[in-house]
Amino acid sequence: GGIITQTPKFLIGQEGQKLTLKCQQNFNHDTMYWYRQDSGKGLRLIYYSITENDLQKGDLSEGYDASREKKSSFSLTVTSAQKNEMAVFLCASSTGGGSDYTFGSGTRLLVI
Amino acid sequence: QEKVQQSPESLIVPEGAMVSLNCSFSDSASQSIWWYQQHPGKGPKALISIFSNGNKKEGRLTVYLNRASLHVSLHIKDSQPSDSAVYLCAVTRYGSSGNKLIFGIGTLLSVKP
Repeated sequence: GGIITQTPKFLIGQEGQKLTLKCQQNFNHDTMYWYRQDSGKGLRLIYYSITENDLQKGDLSEGYDASREKKSSFSLTVTSAQKNEMAVFLCASSTGGGSDYTFGSGTRLLVI
Repeated sequence: QEKVQQSPESLIVPEGAMVSLNCSFSDSASQSIWWYQQHPGKGPKALISIFSNGNKKEGRLTVYLNRASLHVSLHIKDSQPSDSAVYLCAVTRYGSSGNKLIFGIGTLLSVKP
């Protein structure tokens, strides 16, 4: 079976810092996603990519950049971390048909 | 913009009870509806999906979809403490720039032994 791996698992940053989160999958899935999960707000889509070097903005893309240099990897950059920000960032991948999304375990971000 | 709403926000039931979770969505053109289970510290895990009106049964899970009323429900029979988790309803939207899942906030289920 395949696996989707997010690194790091925990990330503590300082206000204004640029922070990068990484995601790797070995399902050979075409599409990859970054979601943000906040308590009481569910999962919100930040960026997604339907193939290598493709980027599509989600509903929450402001303040973030993304990069898909290889089919197997998708990275997310918080361009300027906000003080007291606390959230979980979830990476997912799926086939081009949009079925069977598989999620990673998440990166937990705390900004001090 | 598609909206997905779930109820109740949280639910506590005794072991062995039947659990019913509800989800409403705003766009009848929404495609597949998915239910995900998320345990603390883990990513969501797909449980069951439905596309056509009617019901679908897999093990202890049954999902009902009524597109006319924009409503889907998940029923868990003979609930177990290990079923304690957040349950997320999500709708798939297909577009020219790819597919995406739109999620509800979730229902926190606690099954007491």
